[in-house]
Amino acid sequence: AQTVTQSQPEMSVQEAETVTLSCTYDTSESDYYLFWYKQPPSRQMILVIRQEAYKQQNATENRFSVNFQKAAKSFSLKISDSQLGDAAMYFCAYRSAEVKIIFGKGTRLHILP
Amino acid sequence: GAGVSQSPRYKVAKRGQDVALRCDPISGHVSLFWYQQALGQGPEFLTYFQNEAQLDKSGLPSDRFFAERPEGSVSTLKIQRTQQEDSAVYLCASSLTNSRSDTQYFGPGTRLTVL
Repeated sequence: AQTVTQSQPEMSVQEAETVTLSCTYDTSESDYYLFWYKQPPSRQMILVIRQEAYKQQNATENRFSVNFQKAAKSFSLKISDSQLGDAAMYFCAYRSAEVKIIFGKGTRLHILP
Repeated sequence: GAGVSQSPRYKVAKRGQDVALRCDPISGHVSLFWYQQALGQGPEFLTYFQNEAQLDKSGLPSDRFFAERPEGSVSTLKIQRTQQEDSAVYLCASSLTNSRSDTQYFGPGTRLTVL
């Protein structure tokens, strides 16, 4: 069975600094998608970034980028120039041939002014 | 356009009561998903619809949980004889097609508290 592990329950970063959230996953499949979702206190789950496993190039969306290491089954999220609005729970997630998404337990990110 | 909406946003039920949670997906979206998110955890899959057909209900925790989407748009998740362990946020998501490459758009969730 596929699993997603986020080993950092909480992290803090100074405003304008860079922070990296870690994620590892376990799968025997070769074709899949990986995601980072943001969940603010409003509970609305928002897609931050996605990565197709067949693509070697790391995905980037403005201040958000990933480091995808397929062999190591690692998928970390880097947030540059952290802003107060980035404070939220961040979930790493996986999707394979099935349409359902498997989520990690999340990392709570605090932004220090 | 409007996103995924869910109602009610909050529901308090006494143990043993039946509850019904509603999801309005984005108009025209074929796929609809329900997830359960316990406190401090990530969402866990419950069930999936493609139009009105329930194609996967492997995540429903017991036969007290029932979901339907009779006309292929609005969906209702029903929980019978609620128990305290049912307390959680129930998230609904929809996507345009049944392709796994499609983005799932989430609603704000319904927080269910069973006393």
